[in-house]
Amino acid sequence: DTEVTQTPKHLVMGMTNKKSLKCEQHMGHRAMYWYKQKAKKPPELMFVYSYEKLSINESVPSRFSPECPNSSLLNLHLHALQPEDSALYLCASSLPTSTRLLHFGNGTRLTVT
Amino acid sequence: DAKTTQPPSMDCAEGRAANLPCNHSTISGNEYVYWYRQIHSQGPQYIIHGLKNNETNEMASLIITEDRKSSTLILPHATLRDTAVYYCIALGGSQGNLIFGKGTKLSVKP
Repeated sequence: DTEVTQTPKHLVMGMTNKKSLKCEQHMGHRAMYWYKQKAKKPPELMFVYSYEKLSINESVPSRFSPECPNSSLLNLHLHALQPEDSALYLCASSLPTSTRLLHFGNGTRLTVT
Repeated sequence: DAKTTQPPSMDCAEGRAANLPCNHSTISGNEYVYWYRQIHSQGPQYIIHGLKNNETNEMASLIITEDRKSSTLILPHATLRDTAVYYCIALGGSQGNLIFGKGTKLSVKP
């Protein structure tokens, strides 16, 4: 079991839908991350939040909109996605002073039809 | 951050030691070597990290050469559950984010 919980585990959405991915941790970590992983590829960093503020956006298209409503929660809002956005979306958290020791969730597998 | 090079795949017999190499010939003096693994359908999991001394924890050992240009992750008694993609990452300083390379797919066979 992982200490970072991601919901839902699977999501199928159409290109005109709006959906959200949720990530939750109760380890007191104040840095949270979104990674995207395509099949048979390594995870790619998308966003980093530090103390609930967005600190890194790796040139991610605006159809992906992150939100960190409090220190335990991280959301990824999805709108007007393309089929090529189908991937495993991984959330992670860490102490802000230790950004290499990440705790990952098991991801949400997203399929865009 | 230094580039790392790993073999794309390796096999290991169950119960034997798995030795996973990583080359980081351009590593600088303040860059640590981190190892993560990703079991199928799970998120990546931290294994171990080191700077220049060899390190050991309950999961694995990390051997770093004296010139720091390469390292080896050792799983002393591999089990089928150790089948995963293993990522070696070199990062400097105390901040900076984890960027994954292609990794080594380790298959532990009975």
